[in-house]
Amino acid sequence: GDSVTQMEGPVTLSEEAFLTINCTYTATGYPSLFWYVQYPGEGLQLLLKATKADDKGSNKGFEATYRKETTSFHLEKGSVQVSDSAVYFCALRDDYKLSFGAGTTVTVRA
Amino acid sequence: SQTIHQWPATLVQPVGSPLSLECTVEGTSNPNLYWYRQAAGRGLQLLFYSVGIGQISSEVPQNLSASRPQDRQFILSSKKLLLSDSGFYLCAQKQTGARTNEQFFGPGTRLTVL
Repeated sequence: GDSVTQMEGPVTLSEEAFLTINCTYTATGYPSLFWYVQYPGEGLQLLLKATKADDKGSNKGFEATYRKETTSFHLEKGSVQVSDSAVYFCALRDDYKLSFGAGTTVTVRA
Repeated sequence: SQTIHQWPATLVQPVGSPLSLECTVEGTSNPNLYWYRQAAGRGLQLLFYSVGIGQISSEVPQNLSASRPQDRQFILSSKKLLLSDSGFYLCAQKQTGARTNEQFFGPGTRLTVL
């Protein structure tokens, strides 16, 4: 079935550093792609999404572009803050359900 | 707006005891409902999903079961818990027929089996 692979963490950064979390997917078609974020002790929240090739999802300073040629959906933020410390999950829609990556733990130090 | 409730928020149970976790949704009708488990230090694993009342699909064979007695209620159960059942259980919903495909998650239930 369809699946996603995201870079393993943990990732530790200083405030205002640039963040990239790689995500690649394997799919027979052109699935919708998502990034979810899980803040400590909370459930998952949708961060951004893209539904077709070349779409760019953006939210809270984060961006990700749906790249069909490289089957990728990398998450980027130009200047992270301590409040961005969380676990980030890449996901794709596979029929009725979402298939998630393993998650990447990001810690931002002041 | 859509709201997902999960009960209880935290649970500590002995090995071999039964389990019942409840998820209820508001603000939508005929949603697709999902149970995920997030074990410590690991990603999300889809356990069950349901596209309607009484319709349950199991993704992973295990000692857990799910039921959907009402349109907006999804229950996760076990007759005898194992240590490996410890984890963070998340209920999610997706509106049937919605143009967007994202799922909305509840606050989760943290289960510790001792």
